[in-house]
Amino acid sequence: QQQVKQSPQSLIVQKGGISIINCAYENTAFDYFPWYQQFPGKGPALLIAIRPDVSEKKEGRFTISFNKSAKQFSLHIMDSQPGDSATYFCAADSGYSTLTFGKGTMLLVSP
Amino acid sequence: DSGVTQTPKHLITATGQRVTLRCSPRSGDLSVYWYQQSLDQGLQFLIQYYNGEERAKGNILERFSAQQFPDLHSELNLSSLELGDSALYFCASSAGKEQFFGPGTRLTVL
Repeated sequence: QQQVKQSPQSLIVQKGGISIINCAYENTAFDYFPWYQQFPGKGPALLIAIRPDVSEKKEGRFTISFNKSAKQFSLHIMDSQPGDSATYFCAADSGYSTLTFGKGTMLLVSP
Repeated sequence: DSGVTQTPKHLITATGQRVTLRCSPRSGDLSVYWYQQSLDQGLQFLIQYYNGEERAKGNILERFSAQQFPDLHSELNLSSLELGDSALYFCASSAGKEQFFGPGTRLTVL
């Protein structure tokens, strides 16, 4: 049973554009939602995270939007750059610090 | 660099064999997590240790086991290996909610 559904599976965005990746969850016990960025041959790196008592969190060009009633959250990458080309994973933590990951989104930012 | 180290980087072995993957957490982190990443299953949580004690178990097979030592490093033991165990194995560590991942060990079972 996939508890965190992520879409799209892949995404191509032009340089300077906005990349949007969406995730949905079912388990209302989830209380921490991080996003990870992974480059080929590397481990996932924590990008930004949000808790359900906040509707939006921004760090630089990266913003998480959170909709608790819809049980959805999304990552927006503003002014996308070729260096942002990577695989992005959303995740959810049920309070025991064990992460459930989405399937990932391969982002390609074209120059 | 996350501060989490994993060895070896690559491991090639045969079916039926046993291997040990090693992880050193970030300085001061008491929690260690093991994850498996494969194309079909994605990133899956296997097991968590906190200060030497098992804290949580995920989709870990009975053929797999782990432990955390007094110096807080951890080892993941995989035995009776099957072709389907070929994957990337990541270790992560944390002091709180934020988990920091190591560079992974790529296991290939032939």
